[in-house]
Amino acid sequence: EVQLVQSGAEVKKVGASVKISCKVSGFTLTDNHMHWVQQAPGRGLEWMGLVDPRDGETIYAEKFQGRVTITADTSTDTAYMELRSLRSEDTAVYHCATSRPYDMLTYWGQGTLVTVSS
Amino acid sequence: EIVLTQSPGTLSLSPGERATLSCRASQSVDSNYLAWYQHKPGQAPRLLIYGVSSWAAGIPDRFSGSGSGTDFTLTISSLEPEDFAVYYCLQYGNSPYSFGQGTKLEIK
Repeated sequence: EVQLVQSGAEVKKVGASVKISCKVSGFTLTDNHMHWVQQAPGRGLEWMGLVDPRDGETIYAEKFQGRVTITADTSTDTAYMELRSLRSEDTAVYHCATSRPYDMLTYWGQGTLVTVSS
Repeated sequence: EIVLTQSPGTLSLSPGERATLSCRASQSVDSNYLAWYQHKPGQAPRLLIYGVSSWAAGIPDRFSGSGSGTDFTLTISSLEPEDFAVYYCLQYGNSPYSFGQGTKLEIK
């Protein structure tokens, strides 16, 4: 059974950084791409970026370029998303998701709430 | 970057009615790599349709997808109570990926 289990909720101050993890099981991490998606209150789903765990290659959405880093650790079957210079508008639920390379997002994590306060 | 525009923003219908949701792309989606997701509060998004018109595993056939190029449609033939949710289209044919802003399907 494919499972993506994310780390717990975080509360951060404006200007800080947050790093969220996504532990996968039921498939081989290097066979898939790992994605991160933002769901902010009152806003829809926003694709942030992906990592290819085979070589660490990343693609980021322009909106998050320069503030986000997505990585994967194949030794622990875990993907990570770090978002820096947090703003109040980064308060959101962040989902990890997986796809076959360059394919649709198929399996999703349960989401991690990040609250950014001043 | 491809921008997806969904319409309407909100659709108010009754159970048993037919729902038609639109997704328009700012440029042609390569290989018709267009998917639809259903999203309910507190849950992970659920893949419904991929490749414009192929059903994901376990999806009932009252859901159907159509379209090509820049114009795509999700149709729900006869609404069930559990179908009221927010629906998103996703294009994955061009990098970076992008979602539409969503259509909220609410009970009338």
